[in-house]
Order: sequence, then C-alpha cells, then structure tokens
Amino acid sequence: GEDVEQSLFLSVREGDSSVINCTYTDSSSTYLYWYKQEPGAGLQLLTYIFSNMDMKQDQRLTVLLNKKDKHLSLRIADTQTGDSAIYFCAERSDNAGNMLTFGGGTRLMVKP
Amino acid sequence: GAGVSQSPSNKVTEKGKDVELRCDPISGHTALYWYRQSLGQGLEFLIYFQGNSAPDKSGLPSDRFSAERTGGSVSTLTIQRTQQEDSAVYLCASSLGAGGRPYEQYFGPGTRLTVT
Repeated sequence: GEDVEQSLFLSVREGDSSVINCTYTDSSSTYLYWYKQEPGAGLQLLTYIFSNMDMKQDQRLTVLLNKKDKHLSLRIADTQTGDSAIYFCAERSDNAGNMLTFGGGTRLMVKP
Repeated sequence: GAGVSQSPSNKVTEKGKDVELRCDPISGHTALYWYRQSLGQGLEFLIYFQGNSAPDKSGLPSDRFSAERTGGSVSTLTIQRTQQEDSAVYLCASSLGAGGRPYEQYFGPGTRLTVT
C-alpha cells in the first residue's frame, strides 16, 4: 500500500522554530494534512494543503509541499511548551477513497 | 458546537467477548470514518460511511469486525470474539459530504479498548 513516513522525535527549545518533516509515496495524493495529538486526547486537525499549492501559512504554522519530491513539512514558529505533542502527517488520495493514510507520528518535545 | 463524541471512553473486556463502540458525529456531517490506533500498527483506516451509499469496508482487519450507521448519524463498531491484538484506541471521525468541506475530518477522543 501507500506509505507515509515521519521521523520519530524532535526536541526544540521554547521560542525556537520547529520543523517536522514527512514523505509520502502516493503520487495521486490530493490533500495532505497535519494533525496534533496531545496525551490522552484525540486528533486535532491543524491544517491541510491541496496538492496544487506549495505553501500555506496559518498564524504560527507554515506548511511547505514539494510535490516533485513528495515531501511535506510543518514549521511551527516561536514554539511553546503547549506545542509539545505528537504530530501526524496524513494524505488523502482520489485513488483510495476518502480515507486518510497516516504517518507514524513525530513526538515534539519543547524544552523551557 | 459539539464535536465528535465516542463512548465508552475506556473498555476492558475478556478475550472472546463481543464489544460495541459508539460514535456520534458532528451534526450535519454525512461522512463518518472509523480508524484504529495501536502501538504496533500506528493509525489504520477501518471503515467509511458516506450518506446512504454502501460503506467502504476495505480496512476491516477480519470478519469479526463490523459497523453500522443508523439513520445516517450514529455509528456502532462491533468486534466479535475479541482477541488481545484488538487492544487499541478506536477513533471515529466525521466530515461534511459533497458540497461542503469534505476533506476536513474531525476526530473524536477515541475509545481505548483493552482485551485481557
């Protein structure tokens, strides 16, 4: 099946920028998503990008998409301790119905 | 407004018993999804309902798993003869159907199932 890969762990200092990376294999992906999961909680939709865009900015969040390399990133500016969570990248493909295929998640730890 | 709700939040059951997990989607959302989150497998799609169409069951791992959606709203995921490998967090999501923003899936808090 199609694959979505993320690094497992990222540690940053409060106030720095965080960049979480994701790669995917499905060239027919139409939407790519970032979800946040805090301990014991469900998934919170942070943002998503349509595949014909290469950048989307939403307050402290910037999503970059390199469709040629099938690489997606999420940049969090001025990272706060409340940003500590697991971040999941996901893709939706027109060839695979409406379900999302998720990466394994990146645990972001923000140190004061 | 209210988000996706799921019940129970935690369920402990003995191996071999049947369990039912419930999902209440966001009002007005016609699409409903079940996913499973487990340590070994990450987040996996299970089943998808859209309006009155036949559900997409392509992610169900075995015939012990089934789901229904009554009246186009509430959904129940049933696992028969539970096994220890069924232990996971079961997540439900919903989205607007065609004409809205069908690509925004909103998740509930999940049901943590433990099979002993």
